Amino acid sequence: DAGVTQSPTHLIKTRGQQVTLRCSPKSGHDTVSWYQQALGQGPQFIFQYYEEEERQRGNFPDRFSGHQFPNYSSELNVNALLLGDSALYLCASGQGYGTEAFFGQGTRLTVV
Amino acid sequence: DAKTTQPPSMDCAEGRAANLPCNHSTISGNEYVYWYRQIHSQGPQYIIHGLKNNETNEMASLIITEDRKSSTLILPHATLRDTAVYYCIVRVPYGNNRLAFGKGNQVVVIP
Repeated sequence: DAGVTQSPTHLIKTRGQQVTLRCSPKSGHDTVSWYQQALGQGPQFIFQYYEEEERQRGNFPDRFSGHQFPNYSSELNVNALLLGDSALYLCASGQGYGTEAFFGQGTRLTVV
Repeated sequence: DAKTTQPPSMDCAEGRAANLPCNHSTISGNEYVYWYRQIHSQGPQYIIHGLKNNETNEMASLIITEDRKSSTLILPHATLRDTAVYYCIVRVPYGNNRLAFGKGNQVVVIP
């Protein structure tokens, strides 16, 4: 079982650009959540997808959007990148609604 | 927003039990206490959760006070690999997958 896999592991982008991060959930899981973790802080909830719909959203601007595919994999898109978007982006998957979350290793995004 | 309070850091001796405290004085009746840990440069790892009874698994034990306003995570025999940031989180487990992380407790196991 590969667990939760995220790609890429590291990424460098320029201010104003757009980025897409990808997540494959653990086998048998159908719910995907995304978190942003700035240096020295705990992860902050961005949004969650279940049955290909955004079910919950944290306090993040519309520049952050996502998608879930029929195979339960998910993408996180961030438009008009700011320096402050530099962070570790974590994907977590679960089976159904409200179950324990299993996290991937994250994507380290650096905006320069 | 995080609804828990943890010390920012603590040290513990290798081979000894590590007792990690957490205060959650505003916990609601249907909220569970969850513990995760994050080893450097890795994603958070689920440890254990409980409602009001003490819980034990292969990783740790969770002791919740009778009034449920605080809890303690116990690592029975700390090893160097237990060095991590430990997060205590309260949440309703059903119909809500959001995890509200605080800054956590940086635990360092000393040889």
